[in-house]
Amino acid sequence: DVKVTQSSRYLVKRTGEKVFLECVQDMDHENMFWYRQDPGLGLRLIYFSYDVKMKEKGDIPEGYSVSREKKERFSLILESASTNQTSMYLCASSFSSRGQWFEKLFFGSGTQLSVL
Amino acid sequence: KQEVTQIPAALSVPEGENLVLNCSFTDSAIYNLQWFRQDPGKGLTSLLLIQSSQREQTSGRLNASLDKSSGRSTLYIAASQPGDSATYLCAAHTGNQFYFGTGTSLTVIP
Repeated sequence: DVKVTQSSRYLVKRTGEKVFLECVQDMDHENMFWYRQDPGLGLRLIYFSYDVKMKEKGDIPEGYSVSREKKERFSLILESASTNQTSMYLCASSFSSRGQWFEKLFFGSGTQLSVL
Repeated sequence: KQEVTQIPAALSVPEGENLVLNCSFTDSAIYNLQWFRQDPGKGLTSLLLIQSSQREQTSGRLNASLDKSSGRSTLYIAASQPGDSATYLCAAHTGNQFYFGTGTSLTVIP
């Protein structure tokens, strides 16, 4: 079965720090995603990538950047962490099939980030 | 923009009861629709995926249906068990994104 691994389960950072969240998938999926999940707001897409070195902005990219240097790894970067970026961050991956962008989504177990 | 709604936000049922969770979406031009389960503090686990050309998918005690024309999907859980207690989310694949509902929190009472 597909495994999506997020490097940290819990993180505590200070305001203004640069934060790296790492995600690795082991099924050669073309597509990888970063979401944040907040109570009452559901999942919101930050960025996604459909190929190495390719990225697309999601609904809430402000304050974030991403890097995909290798197919299996997708990193989310908070350039200067702020308290409103305290959230659960979820990474996901999927493959593509002819006629549609994405097939089944596989999620990592999430990183709960607290910015103090 | 696609909007996905799940009602009710929370549901509590006695063990053994059959139940239906609802998902509605505003844009019928979907490629597929997925149902997920999320346990507290954890990531999402995919339960069922229905392609736009399909009407339903089944896995064990779970059955998901899709009616694109009415913008609705349902997840049917048969003979509910306490271990089914979790939040269930649906997501509609439209354009180059998945759009998620905010979920239904299910509690199955022993």
